[in-house]
Amino acid sequence: EVQLVESGGGLVQPGGSLRLSCAASGFTFSRYSMNWVRQAPGKGLEWISNINSGSSLTGYADSAKGRFTISRDDAKNSLNLQMNSLRDDDTAVYYCARDHDYGFDSWGQGILVTVSS
Amino acid sequence: QSALTQPASVSGSPGQSITISCTGTSRDVGSYDHVSWYRQHPGKVPKLLIYEVTKRSSGVSDRFSGSKSGNTASLTISGLQAEDEADYYCCAYAGSKTWVFGGGTKLTVL
Repeated sequence: EVQLVESGGGLVQPGGSLRLSCAASGFTFSRYSMNWVRQAPGKGLEWISNINSGSSLTGYADSAKGRFTISRDDAKNSLNLQMNSLRDDDTAVYYCARDHDYGFDSWGQGILVTVSS
Repeated sequence: QSALTQPASVSGSPGQSITISCTGTSRDVGSYDHVSWYRQHPGKVPKLLIYEVTKRSSGVSDRFSGSKSGNTASLTISGLQAEDEADYYCCAYAGSKTWVFGGGTKLTVL
C-alpha cells in the first residue's frame, strides 16, 4: 500500500524558516516524480513544487520561487521542502503527492503550517 | 501561472448528469493533454479521478468522464449520487515542470 506521511509543520513567525519532509513507502520511490501541493484554510488547492525522478529537474509556482527549495533523498525514500522567508499567506495544509502520468495519484494526509506572530 | 477557471458551484439531482468546466490558456490546457480532476470531501484528502484528460484513475467509477476542447477541459458525472457532493478541482500541466489548479467547484446534490 502506498503511504506518504508528512512531518515538520507547525507555528513559525513571519520571515522564519521551516523544513517539511514526506516519508514514502509501499512503492519504488526513486522511480516517481513528486510534488508539494498546499491548501490555505477554506481555500482551494495550489500546486507548489515538483521534482522529477533523479532530481535533475525541479519546478516551482511563482509564489514559491526563490523562497522554497524542493529536494529528495531516494536512499531514505524522503521528499523535502525547505521554506524560507515565510509569509502569513503561506499558512496552509501542505500535502506531498506522487505524480502518475501528470496526475497526482497518491496524497499524504497533509501537515499544517501556520505563519503568525 | 494564473489559476484555471472553474464555476464556483454546480448542482444536480440524484440520477442526473452534470458537467464542470475548466478553462485555461494556450500555455496549459490548450498545450498539453495533461489535465487531471480531483474530488475532495470536506476535511479529507483530494482523490484523483481523471488524468491525461480522459483516463480514469484506478477504482474510479465509469460515471466519471473527462474531455477537452481547445483551452477548456470538462468533467462529467453521470447518475449523480449523494456521495458525489464534494469540491472538484481541475489541474493542468503548464510546461517546465509546473502545474496549475483551478479554483474549485462545489457540487451540491439536491
